[in-house]
Amino acid sequence: EAQVTQNPRYLITVTGKKLTVTCSQNMNHEYMSWYRQDPGLGLRQIYYSMNVEVTDKGDVPEGYKVSRKEKRNFPLILESPSPNQTSLYFCASSPQLAGTPGDTQYFGPGTRLTVL
Amino acid sequence: GQQVMQIPQYQHVQEGEDFTTYCNSSTTLSNIQWYKQRPGGHPVFLIQLVKSGEVKKQKRLTFQFGEAKKNSSLHITATQTTDVGTYFCAGYRDDKIIFGKGTRLHILP
Repeated sequence: EAQVTQNPRYLITVTGKKLTVTCSQNMNHEYMSWYRQDPGLGLRQIYYSMNVEVTDKGDVPEGYKVSRKEKRNFPLILESPSPNQTSLYFCASSPQLAGTPGDTQYFGPGTRLTVL
Repeated sequence: GQQVMQIPQYQHVQEGEDFTTYCNSSTTLSNIQWYKQRPGGHPVFLIQLVKSGEVKKQKRLTFQFGEAKKNSSLHITATQTTDVGTYFCAGYRDDKIIFGKGTRLHILP
């Protein structure tokens, strides 16, 4: 089944404790992206990657890191989480550069992160 | 910077009434996509509009892209309880994607 998976789905952590949220897609998609969703603010792009070893900042990259060593995986790293990073995080992938006609974004199920 | 404004933020309708949500961009967009997110779920792609003035229909849903490619709308005819959720537009320009804040649709039985 074609899908985007994220782990963990739920995480409660404390300020400053490094964490990684994994994202994997089995559709051989080139484009992957991370979003955070907050009440009243909608979906905001954190980072995106157009292909292996190619990453770029979205609208809200501060406090986050990503890597794209393999096509299927795009982990999100919080080196020193803070309470303002408490949010719902979505990973997404699409066949090619987002915005090219026909490139639907497929979203993962989401990771709800709480930073105390 | 580039913004995509979406209105209204919330909409309550009686079941069977129509519903419309609007997106407006401060800049010309390459294309626009619409997504639906059910409560507790993740965004799911509905449609993409690319051409100026384009109109697409999916059963009771009608999507429009403005002539200037700066605005778009989603209209649902005769809403049903299955239409409950938040509808997002996402505008593309260059390599950037900007989501609207969404319109949350509540259906009153």
